[in-house]
Amino acid sequence: EAGVAQSPRYKIIEKRQSVAFWCNPISGHATLYWYQQILGQGPKLLIQFQNNGVVDDSQLPKDRFSAERLKGVDSTLKIQPAKLEDSAVYLCASSPGVGRTGGRADTQYFGPGTRLTVL
Amino acid sequence: KQEVTQIPAALSVPEGENLVLNCSFTDSAIYNLQWFRQDPGKGLTSLLLIQSSQREQTSGRLNASLDKSSGRSTLYIAASQPGDSATYLCVVLYNQGGKLIFGQGTELSVKP
Repeated sequence: EAGVAQSPRYKIIEKRQSVAFWCNPISGHATLYWYQQILGQGPKLLIQFQNNGVVDDSQLPKDRFSAERLKGVDSTLKIQPAKLEDSAVYLCASSPGVGRTGGRADTQYFGPGTRLTVL
Repeated sequence: KQEVTQIPAALSVPEGENLVLNCSFTDSAIYNLQWFRQDPGKGLTSLLLIQSSQREQTSGRLNASLDKSSGRSTLYIAASQPGDSATYLCVVLYNQGGKLIFGQGTELSVKP
């Protein structure tokens, strides 16, 4: 099966500019996650979608970050305006979702990530 | 607060050595625990998943153990190879469908 796709793979912008990332999850996966991974740290969950609804966005800086998953399939994450501290790898993951039997319901499959550098 | 800690942060070993990576978590009421591998410029790959009712999982040269009572997990890598060089992340899930809690990772370098 095809994996989680993300684009672009790399992005360099200046502070105060805007940027958008795109993620296409594995076909049929109901749950989609966006993570921010700062160098030297583990990923931090920004937002979790179940189909097209938000399950958890408690750690999303809503003054500058936004995300949507309008049709319950692919998703975009936007930063407007960007700050220096937003430099990180942004990872997208998907999972079959709650309600499926067996351990695989909770297994998340990660995309390659987008490396953002804010100058 | 639910936290996951990994020790050491970085490890360098010669090829062929057996090694152990350590993970500790503050809340023992976990649903499952996973070990992921992360290569530069690539996503995370799940290596082993241990359900809360299990004590260990094995895959090839990898063995992961889980001791919920002490809040610890270890990843044992036998006969390490240069291709094992990567960052290894310990990840805890507390509720089905809930949030993954990541450790900060151990960066492993295996020297030929």
